[in-house]
Amino acid sequence: DAGITQSPRHKVTETGTPVTLRCHQTENHRYMYWYRQDPGHGLRLIHYSYGVKDTDKGEVSDGYSVSRSKTEDFLLTLESATSSQTSVYFCAISNAGTASTGELFFGEGSRLTVL
Amino acid sequence: AQSVTQLDSQVPVFEEAPVELRCNYSSSVSVYLFWYVQYPNQGLQLLLKYLSGSTLVESINGFEAEFNKSQTSFHLRKPSVHISDTAEYFCAVTHSNDYKLSFGAGTTVTVRA
Repeated sequence: DAGITQSPRHKVTETGTPVTLRCHQTENHRYMYWYRQDPGHGLRLIHYSYGVKDTDKGEVSDGYSVSRSKTEDFLLTLESATSSQTSVYFCAISNAGTASTGELFFGEGSRLTVL
Repeated sequence: AQSVTQLDSQVPVFEEAPVELRCNYSSSVSVYLFWYVQYPNQGLQLLLKYLSGSTLVESINGFEAEFNKSQTSFHLRKPSVHISDTAEYFCAVTHSNDYKLSFGAGTTVTVRA
């Protein structure tokens, strides 16, 4: 199994509070992604990174920011959480060789509830 | 831009019966196609992929999918399912100049004895 750890795995918070989710990898893979999974929508890309300090927006980036200060960590921040951000968040990684061939390795997910 | 449509959100099936999960894509360029599987309370894992060559691709656990360019489809099939195949299945697409996947909405397969 790919070494991907997401934390926290479960979090309940209140509207308006900041939240940071962490993805940590031990594979030294170049590409890292944050997806959210919602019923009826599948997985939608929030942000991704193609190297240290190199990030870009996905299709549902509003309300989220990311940072990648070192290869192994990719942080997802909700500056002011809203109920619409209640979701399961998945981190994924891929290395340069497989990035263009679609093989992503996923973490186990972080379930966020915003009350 | 590419998009993926999975035509069935839920597929109930009896054990040892065949199953087909339908996936259609839209893209203006050559595509790479994938099926991922998500078992309960887990992340996704790659089931099989089409990059080039033979249009019929197989997984190690008996699933197969066929790339049909004229119909822009990549349907997943298994001739005889097991209880352990109960999971959610996602079709995904990308192309050679991209490193982001676009996923379909998912199909939940429930296998009953």
